[in-house]
Amino acid sequence: DIVMTQSPDSLAVSLGERATVNCKSSQDVLYTSNNKNHLAWYQQKPGQPPKLLIYWASTRQSGVPDRFSGSGSGTDYTLTISSLQAEDVAVYYCHQYHTLPFTFGPGTKVEIK
Amino acid sequence: EVHLVESGGGLVQPGGSLRLSCEASGFTFSTTWMTWVRQAPGKGLEWVATIKQDGSVTSYVDSLRGRFIISRDNSKSSLYLQMSSLRAEDTAVYYCVKDGWWFPYWGQGTLVTVSS
Repeated sequence: DIVMTQSPDSLAVSLGERATVNCKSSQDVLYTSNNKNHLAWYQQKPGQPPKLLIYWASTRQSGVPDRFSGSGSGTDYTLTISSLQAEDVAVYYCHQYHTLPFTFGPGTKVEIK
Repeated sequence: EVHLVESGGGLVQPGGSLRLSCEASGFTFSTTWMTWVRQAPGKGLEWVATIKQDGSVTSYVDSLRGRFIISRDNSKSSLYLQMSSLRAEDTAVYYCVKDGWWFPYWGQGTLVTVSS
């Protein structure tokens, strides 16, 4: 199975500052047939289901604010919140859909400093 | 608007069985892969199973294979998860999810508690 790890476990960032969440996969999740990285990011707030933010590692889901961006390739990926807002307090998960069983990272909790 | 509504969760004793249902609306159910994802209390997300549009292909996380069965009824726009030989570690919120790769739409989830 592809193991997903995330760092840090949690981070506290001041309002308006940049937040960066890292995700690493134990295997390359680049699909050579379409040359796309099979990596997604989700945001989950307490008591709510996860919300898709990013897929194909860097494609923003419709309706997601442009302060959220994804980057990376191969085994290393990053979710960046360019200017943290109060409503961004949540747990963020990465997810690989390259190989079954699909797997998620353990999550990174983002809070306001 | 996509709508996914799970039902069937509840308290069950270890070794028992439960059948979860998910009623879908707002999209053409029969043309979409569907997935179950679960989340234990205070824990992360775990992909459980995925089923192809016509039900001909199913995939499961290895630890659940043989105990859980995913199925669908396209005439009712419904997805199911038959769970048997339930264990305490199966306690979780079970989410019905549209699509089989990345997951843009999630239901609110149904809580399954396995306890004596």
